[in-house]
Amino acid sequence: AQSVTQLGSHVSVSEGALVLLRCNYSSSVPPYLFWYVQYPNQGLQLLLKYTSAATLVKGINGFEAEFKKSETSFHLTKPSAHMSDAAEYFCAVSVQAGTALIFGKGTTLSVSS
Amino acid sequence: GAVVSQHPSRVICKSGTSVKIECRSLDFQATTMFWYRQFPKQSLMLMATSNEGSKATYEQGVEKDKFLINHASLTLSTLTVTSAHPEDSSFYICSATSGDYTGELFFGEGSRLTVL
Repeated sequence: AQSVTQLGSHVSVSEGALVLLRCNYSSSVPPYLFWYVQYPNQGLQLLLKYTSAATLVKGINGFEAEFKKSETSFHLTKPSAHMSDAAEYFCAVSVQAGTALIFGKGTTLSVSS
Repeated sequence: GAVVSQHPSRVICKSGTSVKIECRSLDFQATTMFWYRQFPKQSLMLMATSNEGSKATYEQGVEKDKFLINHASLTLSTLTVTSAHPEDSSFYICSATSGDYTGELFFGEGSRLTVL
C-alpha cells in the first residue's frame, strides 16, 4: 500500500526566505504525487502535481517540487516566502488515476515578517 | 479548473438528529467522489468512495449505517450523518475526479459539523 510521510509538522521561515517542505512516499508502483494547500476552514487547493512527465514540476504561486525516485522524495520549495504562504500543506499520493489520494499528516508553514 | 461545491459550509445540530451534506461537481461529470473527514490540526482521512449508481465503498472503521453516502448522479453525492453525536463533530470534505489520466482530485470547500 502507498503512504506519504511529511517530515516536520511545523516549519517557520522569515518573509523572503527559502521554503522547503519535505515529503517522502512509499509506493510499489510509479506514483502520482500532489501538493495541496489548505487555509483555515477551507477546502484544499492544488499547488502542483507529478504524473510521470517532467521530474521538476512547477506549480502556482511560485512553488515547485522535484520528483526523485532514488530518494522516494517529492519536496516542495519556494525561493522566497510571502506572508500569504502561511497555511497548512499536504503531500498526497495515489497509484492510479481516479482513485483516492492518501495524505500525509500535513505541515504548518508559518511566515514571520 | 474543475469546481466542486459543498453545502452547507457550516451546520450545527442537536445530538440524535441527522444531517445531510451535499457535494456537487459544477462543470464536469464526476465518475467517482470521495468523502474525507478531518479532525482539528490533523490530516484528511478517507471515509468512503462512491461511484455513480452503485453502493459506496467504506474504509475500515467507518460505520456505513451512520455515514450514509448516496451518489445518485454524475454531479451529486450526499453524505448523511445519521443520529449524530458530539464525537461526529468534524470537518467533512468531499472530492471528485473526472477520471482523467492525471489522477487529480478536485475538492469542495468543506463542511464544518458541530453536534451539540
